[in-house]
Amino acid sequence: DGGITQSPKYLFRKEGQNVTLSCEQNLNHDAMYWYRQDPGQGLRLIYYSQIVNDFQKGDIAEGYSVSREKKESFPLTVTSAQKNPTAFYLCASSIGGWPPQHFGDGTRLSIL
Amino acid sequence: SQELEQSPQSLIVQEGKNLTINCTSSKTLYGLYWYKQKYGEGLIFLMMLQKGGEEKSHEKITAKLDEKKQQSSLHITASQPSHAGIYLCGADYSGNTGKLIFGQGTTLQVKP
Repeated sequence: DGGITQSPKYLFRKEGQNVTLSCEQNLNHDAMYWYRQDPGQGLRLIYYSQIVNDFQKGDIAEGYSVSREKKESFPLTVTSAQKNPTAFYLCASSIGGWPPQHFGDGTRLSIL
Repeated sequence: SQELEQSPQSLIVQEGKNLTINCTSSKTLYGLYWYKQKYGEGLIFLMMLQKGGEEKSHEKITAKLDEKKQQSSLHITASQPSHAGIYLCGADYSGNTGKLIFGQGTTLQVKP
């Protein structure tokens, strides 16, 4: 079955450490997205990519970085510059130009 | 985001009752998307509305977009425990980037 796989499900970050969240899709979708969700809030866009080797900043890109070297993969790195990284991170994909149609099951990131 | 307000924030209903969730935009929408989320999981796409006055249904869930394309309502008829979760609306203001602004979500509990 086609879908989006996010890993790990839970992740802990130490002070000053960069961590990378994985997102893989086998839906053959051109567009991929990373969102952050805080308790009681909606989703906020971190980065999105409409095509391989190209990506754009979303509304809250500071302290995060991404790459899109393959169509099926869109990893997100939470850098030490992100001072409040504790949140639920969701990856999504869609046919190019359309808003997200499929979401992964998320990664919950916490600070040690 | 203040661009998009969702109400109510939470809702508790008795099984079998009808309910409505509203999503109001401060400016004209290109499109409005409804999603459902179970706690700790990803979002499931429910419906997309693009035309003023449009109404769509999925099982016992009906969503409408007003004529001015600034407000949408999601109506559940004869609620069931399986309807419980978080409902989020996402506003498309551009029509070609795939970017959405999300409401803060409505948490629905259905008491058996």
